[in-house]
Amino acid sequence: DGGITQSPKYLFRKEGQNVTLSCEQNLNHDAMYWYRQDPGQGLRLIYYSQIVNDFQKGDIAEGYSVSREKKESFPLTVTSAQKNPTAFYLCASSKTGPSSYNEQFFGPGTRLTVL
Amino acid sequence: GDSVTQMEGPVTLSEEAFLTINCTYTATGYPSLFWYVQYPGEGLQLLLKATKADDKGSNKGFEATYRKETTSFHLEKGSVQVSDSAVYFCALSEGGGNKLTFGTGTQLKVEL
Repeated sequence: DGGITQSPKYLFRKEGQNVTLSCEQNLNHDAMYWYRQDPGQGLRLIYYSQIVNDFQKGDIAEGYSVSREKKESFPLTVTSAQKNPTAFYLCASSKTGPSSYNEQFFGPGTRLTVL
Repeated sequence: GDSVTQMEGPVTLSEEAFLTINCTYTATGYPSLFWYVQYPGEGLQLLLKATKADDKGSNKGFEATYRKETTSFHLEKGSVQVSDSAVYFCALSEGGGNKLTFGTGTQLKVEL
């Protein structure tokens, strides 16, 4: 079955440590996205990539980094510079093209807790 | 910039009750509008969408009509079920791109 996988589902880290969240898709989508979800604040865009080896900052990129070396993979690193990293992180992907919108498909999410 | 405003939750209803979740938006152009649903512990799923004024999106008994004159996209269902309990997000996309702007989400609880 095609879809998006995120691992692990739950992640615990000590303060000051960098941590990398995995996101893999087999939908052959060009575009991938990382969102952060906090209670009462909806989803906020961290980074997005519309093609391999290229990515752009979203609304809250500070303290995060990404890479897009393969079409299928878009890992997110939460660095020690992120002041409040505890949150639920969602990865998504979509086609790109001339239509006005291409549906975003979401993974199951990773809940990161920094102790 | 673009923004989406949703009614605050939680919304608690009895099974078979009528549901309305209000959503209004601010955008500079002519956005596409969406409702996503998030079940507990899961990612988001697209529920329905509308890409131009007066379009009605519908799916699984849910409906929403794109009202340009009131900049609204309210979600409705005639008879909710316990299985509809989830968080519902209104969102918009503008400019022909893929970036989504989300509302804060509205939690729906349906009781027997």
